Amino acid sequence: DFVLTQSPESLSVSLGERATINCKSSVSVLHSSNNRNYLAWYQQKPGQPPKLLLYWASTRESGVPDRFSGSGSGTDFTLTITSLQTEDVAVYYCQQYYSSITTFGPGTKVDVK
Amino acid sequence: QVQLQESGPGLVKPSQTLSLTCTVSGASITSGSYYWSWIRQHPGRGLEWIGYISYTGSTYYNPSLKSRLTTSVDTSKNQFSLRLSSVTAADTALYYCARQIADFGSGTHIDYWGQGTLVTVSS
Repeated sequence: DFVLTQSPESLSVSLGERATINCKSSVSVLHSSNNRNYLAWYQQKPGQPPKLLLYWASTRESGVPDRFSGSGSGTDFTLTITSLQTEDVAVYYCQQYYSSITTFGPGTKVDVK
Repeated sequence: QVQLQESGPGLVKPSQTLSLTCTVSGASITSGSYYWSWIRQHPGRGLEWIGYISYTGSTYYNPSLKSRLTTSVDTSKNQFSLRLSSVTAADTALYYCARQIADFGSGTHIDYWGQGTLVTVSS
């Protein structure tokens, strides 16, 4: 089973400061055939559906500000928000799609300190 | 602008069948580049992928729900649907329809989501 864990569960960051969220997979999501990491990141604000931020671990979706970046490979991944803005207050989820049964992490709540 | 909209009853009785339809606008459901997915979110909790269907009717389901799940696609209406049988209170959730990118026969990331519809299972 592909189990994703995220840390921390919640995070308070001052405006303009860096926020770092970690996602760990129980199984590597790096596909050897194409050297791609089958992992995405989403942002969910209250009352809204999730919004795609990054896919293939580090490819930014069109329209996503460049303060959002993704890194990592294999089983350990990081979402970084370099300068937190008020509109970034949300819950962030990672998703693995290496398995045909896609799964999501439990989420990390980010708010302003 | 791609949009997805869920529709269906907001209240279902235990042991009955939950039925939802997703209407897609701004994109053709017959594109082979996508799978049409269902995801649910239990109140205050995380996301659970339910399954997807292609425009040809090929399906892939979460094994935890497979025995109770049926999905279908209506290309003439640009819609796809979900039926979940024998529901219990544990099926109470916000149900999203979504577009999942297809890559070599598998679903990958999800680029468009509906707004979600809350389904409550209660007598």
